Amino acid sequence: GAVVSQHPSWVICKSGTSVKIECRSLDFQATTMFWYRQFPKQSLMLMATSNEGSKATYEQGVEKDKFLINHASLTLSTLTVTSAHPEDSSFYICSARDSVTYEQYFGPGTRLTVT
Amino acid sequence: GDSVTQMEGPVTLSEEAFLTINCTYTATGYPSLFWYVQYPGEGLQLLLKATKADDKGSNKGFEATYRKETTSFHLEKGSVQVSDSAVYFCALSDPNTGGFKTIFGAGTRLFVKA
Repeated sequence: GAVVSQHPSWVICKSGTSVKIECRSLDFQATTMFWYRQFPKQSLMLMATSNEGSKATYEQGVEKDKFLINHASLTLSTLTVTSAHPEDSSFYICSARDSVTYEQYFGPGTRLTVT
Repeated sequence: GDSVTQMEGPVTLSEEAFLTINCTYTATGYPSLFWYVQYPGEGLQLLLKATKADDKGSNKGFEATYRKETTSFHLEKGSVQVSDSAVYFCALSDPNTGGFKTIFGAGTRLFVKA
C-alpha cells in the first residue's frame, strides 16, 4: 500500500532554534498534503493544507510565520518550526492525498521536544 | 463548520465483549466518513470508511454504517481482543468545504483486559 514517511521521527531542540520536518509520499504523487498537530492524549488538529507549487492554507489561529510550510515537489512537503519554544513541543503528523485516487495516507509522526 | 463528536473514553472492556463507540458528525455537504486507529507509539492507520449514506465499512471484525438520517457512524465489534487496545478516531472529509481536508473527533481510548 501507499506509504508516507516523516523525518525525523523525533527531535529535541533548544528554545529559539528552528526545526525542519520532512513529509514524503514514497510511491505516489501528492498534490496536496496536510499537517496536523497532536497534543498528548488529544485529537489531531489540522494546522495547514500544503499545495504543491503554491502557498499553504493555514487554519485559523495557526501562525504562518512560525510554522513555515514548503511543498516544492509532488512527493515532498516540509514544515519548519521557527524560533521554537517549549509550548511548540508536540507530535506533528503529516498526511498526503494521492493525486490520482484521492485517498489520504498518514505519516508515522514526528515528536518534537523543545527544551 | 464541519465537526465530529465521539464518545469520551476511556472505554474498558473484557476480552470477547461487544464494543460500540458512538460518533456523530456535522457537515454542510455529503462527507466521507472514516474510523482511524492509533496503536500505542504508532501513527494513524485507516480502519474503515464509508463514502455515502447506508454504506457499511468493515475491516478486522470492526464495522460502521453511514447513517445520514441520524448523522452517525458508530463503530462496532462483536468480540474485542486485547490487541484491539488503542485510540480510535472518527473523522470526516467533506469535498464541499476545505478541499478534502480531514476533520477528526477527539478520539476514544479503548482498553481491553484479558
